[in-house]
Amino acid sequence: TQLLEQSPQFLSIQEGENLTVYCNSSSVFSSLQWYRQEPGEGPVLLVTVVTGGEVKKLKRLTFQFGDARKDSSLHITAAQPGDTGLYLCKQGGKLIFGQGTELSVKP
Amino acid sequence: GAGVSQSPSNKVTEKGKDVELRCDPISGHTALYWYRQSLGQGLEFLIYFQGNSAPDKSGLPSDRFSAERTGGSVSTLTIQRTQQEDSAVYLCASSSRTGELTGELFFGEGSRLTVL
Repeated sequence: TQLLEQSPQFLSIQEGENLTVYCNSSSVFSSLQWYRQEPGEGPVLLVTVVTGGEVKKLKRLTFQFGDARKDSSLHITAAQPGDTGLYLCKQGGKLIFGQGTELSVKP
Repeated sequence: GAGVSQSPSNKVTEKGKDVELRCDPISGHTALYWYRQSLGQGLEFLIYFQGNSAPDKSGLPSDRFSAERTGGSVSTLTIQRTQQEDSAVYLCASSSRTGELTGELFFGEGSRLTVL
């Protein structure tokens, strides 16, 4: 079973700061998905990346897939309290999620 | 329905009792998943159904846990002789493109189980 390691596990920042969270594996991803889970809700898909080196942007969120397809990052610019939540990565077509990064953005 | 529906949203039970959690997936979705999420933790895979194939039960933590999916639609997760460590949020998801690299999982809001 491929393990997905996410870091950091917890992140608490002030509104307006930038941040990056990571998802890594020792094996090659076929594709990678990022989900966000807000308190009391189920996770919601943010993006799927497929091609090594791919960069996708979703408003203030930038997703990058490593050239070797073994890692991915999520960068948030000028974080807002609405970004608070649990960020999870998952290999496309597989069943296992990473343990997540719990992000708290304080006003 | 428009989304994945789970019931009950909250369940409080006494240690040793059996509980049933229900999931109604998005109409037409062939794949259904159950995950467990303990407080402050990520998602723990439990079981996966795809169409008429035998379910993948590799994530079930003990033989007290079982699940069925009737008619390829509604699923019930049953926990027998509940223990305090079973307390968690149980999340159900469905998808229409199982096994494909870009298939999106659609989640319900979960059933919060508390075992006293």
